[in-house]
Amino acid sequence: AQSVTQLGSHVSVSEGALVLLRCNYSSSVPPYLFWYVQYPNQGLQLLLKYTSAATLVKGINGFEAEFKKSETSFHLTKPSAHMRDAAEYFCAVSDQGNQFYFGTGTSLTVIP
Amino acid sequence: EAQVTQNPRYLITVTGKKLTVTCSQNMNHEYMSWYRQDPGLGLRQIYYSMNVEVTDKGDVPEGYKVSRKEKRNFPLILESPSPNQTSLYFCASSLSTGGYNEQFFGPGTRLTVL
Repeated sequence: AQSVTQLGSHVSVSEGALVLLRCNYSSSVPPYLFWYVQYPNQGLQLLLKYTSAATLVKGINGFEAEFKKSETSFHLTKPSAHMRDAAEYFCAVSDQGNQFYFGTGTSLTVIP
Repeated sequence: EAQVTQNPRYLITVTGKKLTVTCSQNMNHEYMSWYRQDPGLGLRQIYYSMNVEVTDKGDVPEGYKVSRKEKRNFPLILESPSPNQTSLYFCASSLSTGGYNEQFFGPGTRLTVL
């Protein structure tokens, strides 16, 4: 079975500072990994995904994530936070099948 | 516009009164899924469907039913709702099965069971 752990349910950064949201996964098979963003009162929207091609994955809005198999991690980063990045972020894992497992989410606050 | 729609968006009901939340997608997607989102628990998968007439349980299927009679629709049925099913529900769809496809999410249905 797969699982996802997101360290830090709330993260605050200053505008212009580095954003780092942590995600660790467990999977018995090579996983597919995703980061989704949820803005207030909206559904989830895909930021980026890892599907066993390049280990450094670039997504929308300047976000990227690096797949590290040895650390079973898929941390999300953005060099410079913007006010519009304030949202809830979810890491998710899927195996070769059709079940998806989401983390508990990290709420990002950007301080002006 | 390509989208996943859910109805109703908000629903307050009482224990035991059967209800259906509809989900429809206009992208000809094979795969559809239902999730519930609860504070501190993230999203948990309830049921998913790989194609018409093919459905399977996710992580938290108890108390829910689904059907997939048409490709575009995937309703979620609560035959006898209970207060512990008060939650925010999301429907999602993706092009095909295999676990690597992007899921497109609906806007959510906020359900309160009194």
